[in-house]
Amino acid sequence: DAKTTQPTSMDCAEGRAANLPCNHSTISGNEYVYWYRQIHSQGPQYIIHGLKNNETNEMASLIITEDRKSSTLILPHATLRDTAVYYCIVRVVGETSGSRLTFGEGTQLTVNP
Amino acid sequence: DGGITQSPKYLFRKEGQNVTLSCEQNLNHDAMYWYRQDPGQGLRLIYYSQIVNDFQKGDIAEGYSVSREKKESFPLTVTSAQKNPTAFYLCASSASSGGGYEQYFGPGTRLTVT
Repeated sequence: DAKTTQPTSMDCAEGRAANLPCNHSTISGNEYVYWYRQIHSQGPQYIIHGLKNNETNEMASLIITEDRKSSTLILPHATLRDTAVYYCIVRVVGETSGSRLTFGEGTQLTVNP
Repeated sequence: DGGITQSPKYLFRKEGQNVTLSCEQNLNHDAMYWYRQDPGQGLRLIYYSQIVNDFQKGDIAEGYSVSREKKESFPLTVTSAQKNPTAFYLCASSASSGGGYEQYFGPGTRLTVT
Protein backbone atom coordinates (compact mmCIF):
# COMPACT_ATOMS: atom_id res chain seq x y z
CA ASP A 1 0.00 0.00 0.00
CA ALA A 2 1.18 3.54 -0.77
CA LYS A 3 2.62 5.63 2.04
CA THR A 4 0.82 8.81 3.08
CA THR A 5 2.12 12.05 4.56
CA GLN A 6 -0.03 14.27 6.77
CA PRO A 7 0.73 17.29 8.95
CA THR A 8 1.15 16.38 12.60
CA SER A 9 -1.39 18.90 13.87
CA MET A 10 -3.85 21.56 12.75
CA ASP A 11 -6.17 24.03 14.42
CA CYS A 12 -9.54 25.26 13.26
CA ALA A 13 -12.10 27.71 14.63
CA GLU A 14 -15.52 26.34 15.48
CA GLY A 15 -17.98 26.87 12.63
CA ARG A 16 -15.28 27.27 10.02
CA ALA A 17 -14.26 24.71 7.42
CA ALA A 18 -11.43 22.36 8.34
CA ASN A 19 -9.26 21.33 5.40
CA LEU A 20 -6.98 18.40 6.12
CA PRO A 21 -4.36 17.62 3.47
CA CYS A 22 -2.79 14.28 2.63
CA ASN A 23 0.02 13.46 0.21
CA HIS A 24 0.14 10.04 -1.42
CA SER A 25 2.50 10.59 -4.31
CA THR A 26 3.21 6.87 -4.83
CA ILE A 27 -0.44 5.88 -5.08
CA SER A 28 -1.18 3.34 -7.79
CA GLY A 29 -4.19 3.15 -10.06
CA ASN A 30 -6.03 0.50 -8.06
CA GLU A 31 -5.74 2.17 -4.64
CA TYR A 32 -8.57 3.95 -2.88
CA VAL A 33 -8.05 6.91 -0.53
CA TYR A 34 -9.73 6.38 2.84
CA TRP A 35 -10.21 8.72 5.78
CA TYR A 36 -10.86 7.67 9.34
CA ARG A 37 -10.83 9.63 12.56
CA GLN A 38 -10.21 8.65 16.16
CA ILE A 39 -11.55 10.58 19.09
CA HIS A 40 -9.43 10.14 22.17
CA SER A 41 -9.55 6.62 23.64
CA GLN A 42 -12.22 5.43 21.21
CA GLY A 43 -12.12 3.15 18.17
CA PRO A 44 -11.52 4.80 14.78
CA GLN A 45 -14.56 5.91 12.82
CA TYR A 46 -14.88 5.66 9.06
CA ILE A 47 -15.48 9.03 7.37
CA ILE A 48 -15.27 8.71 3.59
CA HIS A 49 -13.36 7.11 0.75
CA GLY A 50 -12.81 7.67 -2.98
CA LEU A 51 -10.89 6.44 -5.98
CA LYS A 52 -10.57 9.36 -8.39
CA ASN A 53 -13.74 11.42 -8.23
CA ASN A 54 -14.59 13.89 -5.47
CA GLU A 55 -16.94 12.42 -2.90
CA THR A 56 -19.35 13.93 -0.38
CA ASN A 57 -21.40 12.42 2.41
CA GLU A 58 -23.13 13.70 5.52
CA MET A 59 -19.86 13.98 7.41
CA ALA A 60 -17.35 15.41 4.95
CA SER A 61 -16.14 15.98 1.41
CA LEU A 62 -13.11 14.38 -0.18
CA ILE A 63 -11.25 16.21 -2.92
CA ILE A 64 -8.72 14.13 -4.86
CA THR A 65 -6.37 15.88 -7.28
CA GLU A 66 -6.45 14.88 -10.92
CA ASP A 67 -3.09 13.12 -10.71
CA ARG A 68 -4.30 11.42 -7.47
CA LYS A 69 -1.06 12.28 -5.69
CA SER A 70 -2.82 14.22 -2.95
CA SER A 71 -6.22 14.71 -1.40
CA THR A 72 -8.01 17.00 1.04
CA LEU A 73 -10.66 16.09 3.57
CA ILE A 74 -13.06 18.95 4.19
CA LEU A 75 -15.26 19.26 7.28
CA PRO A 76 -17.52 22.12 6.15
CA HIS A 77 -18.56 23.46 9.56
CA ALA A 78 -16.25 22.12 12.25
CA THR A 79 -17.61 21.64 15.76
CA LEU A 80 -15.82 20.95 19.03
CA ARG A 81 -16.79 17.28 18.65
CA ASP A 82 -14.70 17.08 15.50
CA THR A 83 -11.53 17.35 17.59
CA ALA A 84 -9.77 14.06 16.84
CA VAL A 85 -6.84 12.42 15.07
CA TYR A 86 -7.58 12.09 11.35
CA TYR A 87 -5.97 9.28 9.37
CA CYS A 88 -5.50 9.24 5.61
CA ILE A 89 -4.99 5.73 4.28
CA VAL A 90 -4.58 4.28 0.79
CA ARG A 91 -5.66 0.74 0.10
CA VAL A 92 -5.63 -1.62 -2.84
CA VAL A 93 -8.92 -2.33 -4.57
CA GLY A 94 -9.91 -5.97 -4.74
CA GLU A 95 -6.92 -7.04 -2.69
CA THR A 96 -7.65 -10.27 -0.89
CA SER A 97 -4.99 -9.80 1.74
CA GLY A 98 -7.59 -8.88 4.31
CA SER A 99 -8.04 -5.29 3.23
CA ARG A 100 -5.44 -4.28 5.74
CA LEU A 101 -5.49 -0.63 6.76
CA THR A 102 -2.03 0.81 7.33
CA PHE A 103 -2.42 3.62 9.84
CA GLY A 104 0.25 6.29 10.12
CA GLU A 105 0.30 8.84 12.91
CA GLY A 106 -2.41 11.03 11.38
CA THR A 107 -3.24 14.70 11.94
CA GLN A 108 -4.43 15.91 15.33
CA LEU A 109 -7.21 18.39 14.53
CA THR A 110 -8.14 20.71 17.37
CA VAL A 111 -11.32 22.73 16.94
CA ASN A 112 -11.24 25.85 19.11
CA PRO A 113 -14.28 27.74 20.43
CA ASP B 1 -28.33 -2.22 17.40
CA GLY B 2 -25.73 -3.62 15.02
CA GLY B 3 -22.12 -3.20 15.91
CA ILE B 4 -18.91 -4.53 17.40
CA THR B 5 -18.46 -5.16 21.07
CA GLN B 6 -15.22 -5.63 22.92
CA SER B 7 -14.95 -6.66 26.50
CA PRO B 8 -13.78 -5.73 28.96
CA LYS B 9 -13.01 -2.04 28.47
CA TYR B 10 -10.10 -2.20 30.92
CA LEU B 11 -8.08 -5.30 31.76
CA PHE B 12 -5.27 -5.77 34.24
CA ARG B 13 -2.96 -8.78 34.34
CA LYS B 14 0.23 -9.87 35.96
CA GLU B 15 3.27 -10.49 33.82
CA GLY B 16 3.56 -14.10 32.67
CA GLN B 17 -0.19 -14.69 32.38
CA ASN B 18 -2.01 -15.28 29.13
CA VAL B 19 -5.10 -13.13 28.62
CA THR B 20 -7.90 -13.36 26.06
CA LEU B 21 -9.67 -10.30 24.67
CA SER B 22 -13.18 -10.70 23.36
CA CYS B 23 -14.54 -9.31 20.07
CA GLU B 24 -18.08 -9.96 18.82
CA GLN B 25 -19.90 -8.49 15.83
CA ASN B 26 -23.53 -8.78 14.73
CA LEU B 27 -23.04 -7.07 11.38
CA ASN B 28 -22.79 -10.38 9.48
CA HIS B 29 -19.33 -9.34 8.30
CA ASP B 30 -16.97 -11.91 6.83
CA ALA B 31 -13.68 -10.20 7.69
CA MET B 32 -12.40 -9.33 11.15
CA TYR B 33 -9.20 -7.69 12.36
CA TRP B 34 -7.15 -7.01 15.48
CA TYR B 35 -5.02 -3.88 15.84
CA ARG B 36 -2.74 -2.63 18.58
CA GLN B 37 -2.24 1.04 19.42
CA ASP B 38 0.51 2.46 21.63
CA PRO B 39 0.33 5.99 23.07
CA GLY B 40 0.69 8.69 20.39
CA GLN B 41 1.00 6.14 17.61
CA GLY B 42 -1.16 4.87 14.78
CA LEU B 43 -2.71 1.41 14.67
CA ARG B 44 -0.72 -1.70 13.79
CA LEU B 45 -2.30 -4.88 12.45
CA ILE B 46 -1.85 -8.01 14.59
CA TYR B 47 -4.04 -10.64 12.87
CA TYR B 48 -6.91 -10.71 10.42
CA SER B 49 -9.45 -13.24 9.27
CA GLN B 50 -11.24 -13.20 5.93
CA ILE B 51 -13.54 -16.12 6.66
CA VAL B 52 -14.44 -18.58 9.40
CA ASN B 53 -11.68 -21.04 10.29
CA ASP B 54 -9.05 -18.99 8.48
CA PHE B 55 -6.75 -16.21 9.67
CA GLN B 56 -3.44 -14.60 8.69
CA LYS B 57 -0.67 -12.83 10.55
CA GLY B 58 -0.46 -9.09 10.33
CA ASP B 59 2.60 -6.94 10.93
CA ILE B 60 3.13 -7.68 14.62
CA ALA B 61 1.73 -11.19 15.26
CA GLU B 62 4.53 -12.45 17.52
CA GLY B 63 3.27 -13.20 21.01
CA TYR B 64 -0.39 -13.24 19.97
CA SER B 65 -2.81 -15.93 18.86
CA VAL B 66 -6.36 -15.89 17.47
CA SER B 67 -9.18 -18.23 16.52
CA ARG B 68 -12.18 -17.83 14.23
CA GLU B 69 -14.57 -20.66 14.99
CA LYS B 70 -17.70 -18.55 14.47
CA LYS B 71 -18.39 -15.77 12.00
CA GLU B 72 -19.36 -13.31 14.72
CA SER B 73 -16.43 -13.93 17.08
CA PHE B 74 -12.67 -13.32 16.79
CA PRO B 75 -10.95 -13.57 20.20
CA LEU B 76 -7.34 -12.49 20.65
CA THR B 77 -5.01 -14.13 23.17
CA VAL B 78 -2.06 -12.13 24.40
CA THR B 79 0.48 -14.72 25.49
CA SER B 80 3.30 -14.43 27.96
CA ALA B 81 5.67 -14.41 24.97
CA GLN B 82 4.52 -10.89 24.03
CA LYS B 83 7.28 -8.67 25.42
CA ASN B 84 5.34 -5.41 25.72
CA PRO B 85 1.65 -6.32 26.02
CA THR B 86 0.43 -3.11 27.65
CA ALA B 87 -1.50 -1.28 24.90
CA PHE B 88 -4.91 -0.32 23.55
CA TYR B 89 -6.37 -3.19 21.49
CA LEU B 90 -8.94 -2.55 18.77
CA CYS B 91 -11.06 -5.06 16.90
CA ALA B 92 -12.67 -4.27 13.53
CA SER B 93 -14.80 -5.97 10.91
CA SER B 94 -15.72 -5.39 7.29
CA ALA B 95 -18.29 -6.85 4.93
CA SER B 96 -15.62 -8.28 2.70
CA SER B 97 -11.89 -8.53 2.60
CA GLY B 98 -11.86 -6.93 -0.84
CA GLY B 99 -11.11 -3.28 -1.43
CA GLY B 100 -13.82 -0.67 -1.18
CA TYR B 101 -15.30 -1.90 2.09
CA GLU B 102 -14.89 0.22 5.17
CA GLN B 103 -13.89 -1.26 8.50
CA TYR B 104 -16.03 -0.74 11.57
CA PHE B 105 -14.19 -0.59 14.87
CA GLY B 106 -15.15 -1.61 18.37
CA PRO B 107 -14.60 0.62 21.42
CA GLY B 108 -11.31 -1.07 22.32
CA THR B 109 -9.81 -2.84 25.33
CA ARG B 110 -7.06 -1.15 27.30
CA LEU B 111 -4.73 -3.86 28.63
CA THR B 112 -2.26 -3.16 31.41
CA VAL B 113 0.28 -5.80 32.36
CA THR B 114 2.42 -5.27 35.46
